[in-house]
Amino acid sequence: DTGVSQDPRHKITKRGQNVTFRCDPISEHNRLYWYRQTLGQGPEFLTYFQNEAQLEKSRLLSDRFSAERPKGSFSTLEIQRTEQGDSAMYLCASSLYGLAVEEQFFGPGTRLTVL
Amino acid sequence: TQLLEQSPQFLSIQEGENLTVYCNSSSVFSSLQWYRQEPGEGPVLLVTVVTGGEVKKLKRLTFQFGDARKDSSLHITAAQPGDTGLYLCAGVVAGNMLTFGGGTRLMVKP
Repeated sequence: DTGVSQDPRHKITKRGQNVTFRCDPISEHNRLYWYRQTLGQGPEFLTYFQNEAQLEKSRLLSDRFSAERPKGSFSTLEIQRTEQGDSAMYLCASSLYGLAVEEQFFGPGTRLTVL
Repeated sequence: TQLLEQSPQFLSIQEGENLTVYCNSSSVFSSLQWYRQEPGEGPVLLVTVVTGGEVKKLKRLTFQFGDARKDSSLHITAAQPGDTGLYLCAGVVAGNMLTFGGGTRLMVKP
């Protein structure tokens, strides 16, 4: 299966620790998106890349959050000094920009619990 | 206030019943997508609608895009327990940023 993959699927950490998540998009997709989803809500946009360039960041993305996509393939999302409010599902999606209609395909997500 | 409002938020029905989920906005979208999400998993794309008034069918699911491209509906005929999940609509705004509704949580009881 060559869908979007995310690692780890679950992460439990203590408040104040740093965590890093990885996303591997569908191989031919040039856009990669990060979303956050809290219980009972729809996903909220965090940031996205086109190839290696980070084109937009949401106001939700505080200074403690940083994302990279160094070679235009996989991406990492790092959260520094985690807080309990960071507990959520972090979703990655990828798409092929340039088609008439762009469709985003999601990975299984990383569930973060901050104790 | 969310850009996309979904209703109802929760729906519990018996197997075999029909249902409709609504997705409304005051904004015009260039396209609108419906996803289904199961607990602990990422959303799975069901359909994309682009043209005002467009109707698409996926087995027992019928999707409609409003004429003004501000709203959409999902109708399920003869619901089955396998249809249980969170249904999300998402509209594309400038810069191809998807904006999601809050979701409709559907439970179909056997």
